[in-house]
Amino acid sequence: AQSVAQPEDQVNVAEGNPLTVKCTYSVSGNPYLFWYVQYPNRGLQFLLKYITGDNLVKGSYGFEAEFNKSQTSFHLKKPSALVSDSALYFCAVRDQTGANNLFFGTGTRLTVIP
Amino acid sequence: DADVTQTPRNRITKTGKRIMLECSQTKGHDRMYWYRQDPGLGLRLIYYSFDVKDINKGEISDGYSVSRQAQAKFSLSLESAIPNQTALYFCATSDSGQGNSPLHFGNGTRLTVT
Repeated sequence: AQSVAQPEDQVNVAEGNPLTVKCTYSVSGNPYLFWYVQYPNRGLQFLLKYITGDNLVKGSYGFEAEFNKSQTSFHLKKPSALVSDSALYFCAVRDQTGANNLFFGTGTRLTVIP
Repeated sequence: DADVTQTPRNRITKTGKRIMLECSQTKGHDRMYWYRQDPGLGLRLIYYSFDVKDINKGEISDGYSVSRQAQAKFSLSLESAIPNQTALYFCATSDSGQGNSPLHFGNGTRLTVT
């Protein structure tokens, strides 16, 4: 069975500091991994994905994520946080067989403090 | 994402009423999905459709039905609304592929059942 854990409901970081939003996953076989961001009163927006290859994936708005197979993690990172990064972030996973649909984590609310 | 349009944006209805949420897309994608979002639970898949003649149940389909009227239109119905169906509902699309295509979300419908 697929599952995604986002262990932190809330992450606070000062503007200009690096940020990390954590995600661990469980899937049979190799995963496709995604990060989405949700701003107030909006739908989710795709940030980046991991399919295969380089473990460091770069995405929109300066975000990147590091795939770690041994730790089954896919943490979202940004070197320098902006106040405008404050939003709800979702990690999602599906197995590469295509037999299952995308499975979302419960979300992490990021607040960047000016 | 303006390419995926959901109507209405907000709806308040009474217990026992039938209600329909509509979704249309101009992205030309074959695949369409309905999710519900609840605080602390993330997004859960209700129904999905890979083409006009294909309808599949997701993890929480009880109490819901869908209709894929055309490639661009996918509606969600609550046959007899109940209060625990109060939630934020999202329609999403993706193109056919290897399972690594990202989802494109509408801005959501906030449904309140009293």
